[in-house]
Amino acid sequence: AQKITQTQPGMFVQEKEAVTLDCTYDTSDPSYGLFWYKQPSSGEMIFLIYQGSYDQQNATEGRYSLNFQKARKSANLVISASQLGDSAMYFCAMREARSSHGSSNTGKLIFGQGTTLQVKP
Amino acid sequence: DGGITQSPKYLFRKEGQNVTLSCEQNLNHDAMYWYRQDPGQGLRLIYYSQIVNDFQKGDIAEGYSVSREKKESFPLTVTSAQKNPTAFYLCASSITPQGRYNSPLHFGNGTRLTVT
Repeated sequence: AQKITQTQPGMFVQEKEAVTLDCTYDTSDPSYGLFWYKQPSSGEMIFLIYQGSYDQQNATEGRYSLNFQKARKSANLVISASQLGDSAMYFCAMREARSSHGSSNTGKLIFGQGTTLQVKP
Repeated sequence: DGGITQSPKYLFRKEGQNVTLSCEQNLNHDAMYWYRQDPGQGLRLIYYSQIVNDFQKGDIAEGYSVSREKKESFPLTVTSAQKNPTAFYLCASSITPQGRYNSPLHFGNGTRLTVT
């Protein structure tokens, strides 16, 4: 069964420094996608970055990059040059290509427990 | 602008009453989802629908019901059978999921339900 683990309940980072948020996953499907979302205190879920299981290069989106280590089943989010507005909860999520009952429909998106990031001025 | 609308933002109900949370999208997405979030926790899948008139139970479907009569709408009913209904509920949608595991979910702004 698919599983996502975020082991850091809370993290602090100094403004303008880089921070890495950890995410490990478990799946038996060779085809899957990994996502990171940001949730500010307002509650909305903001999609940040995506990495596919067959992607050869690590995904990057502006100040966000994904350190994808397939053999270790990890997909850590790196935020460079942290800003005060980066303070939020961050979720790692995964979706398999096939549902658990083997149909051709894509599996559901499951989330980790989240990491709360606080950026210090 | 296209997006997902959840209403209301805050909802208060007495214990024993059913309550329906609204979710409407104008993104022309086939798939829609309902997640529940408890304070400081991750999102747990309640129900999802990949096509009109069809839906599947997620991980915590007990005490909830849904319908998908129109592509744009996926209302969630929290029934009196749900033992601990107070939570933050998020609706999401994505383009047709078949073989498109790279499509992200787009979320509404959520409904905060309090049952006393």
